[in-house]
Amino acid sequence: GENVEQHPSTLSVQEGDSAVIKCTYSDSASNYFPWYKQELGKRPQLIIDIRSNVGEKKDQRIAVTLNKTAKHFSLHITETQPEDSAVYFCAASKSGGYNKLIFGAGTRLAVHP
Amino acid sequence: DTEVTQTPKHLVMGMTNKKSLKCEQHMGHRAMYWYKQKAKKPPELMFVYSYEKLSINESVPSRFSPECPNSSLLNLHLHALQPEDSALYLCASSQGPGQVNYEQYFGPGTRLTVT
Repeated sequence: GENVEQHPSTLSVQEGDSAVIKCTYSDSASNYFPWYKQELGKRPQLIIDIRSNVGEKKDQRIAVTLNKTAKHFSLHITETQPEDSAVYFCAASKSGGYNKLIFGAGTRLAVHP
Repeated sequence: DTEVTQTPKHLVMGMTNKKSLKCEQHMGHRAMYWYKQKAKKPPELMFVYSYEKLSINESVPSRFSPECPNSSLLNLHLHALQPEDSALYLCASSQGPGQVNYEQYFGPGTRLTVT
């Protein structure tokens, strides 16, 4: 069935460093890839997304890249700050349906001052 | 306004109780979702409503009963739950099938504890 694998499960960086989280999806029909940030005790918050007709998207310190051939997509955070510390989930879905999101297992990012 | 609201924030119930979770959005979204999230796990889809009709039921036990009274409201009725049903229950909404935007926005969740 549909599956999204996410790596690493934990990531620890120093403030100012870059962080990269990678996901691989199994369903080649997937065409929408959002990333959610979830702080402890809070809701998942959509931080960036990308569609399959785009290879890269950037929003300030956050960027997402997509390789459709390899079925990989990645989240890149530059100049990390302590407030970036959270759990990040990638997801994949197929448009045209009910936007059923298949989530990765999550990455716990810790940014140390 | 990209806000989805949920009540209550916390709920403690016994295994013989009946309770309901409520979700509301005023973004004009026509798709609404219930997710269950256990600690340190991703959200797990339970139900999808599209244009107020149940579109997806991910083989959820019948002790969970969803209801969509209108396009802005989504309820989850709970009855005879088990302790393992304790979790964070998240509601989400999106524009709906055939629409341009796929973004799905989550509510703050209801922290449910079954004793």
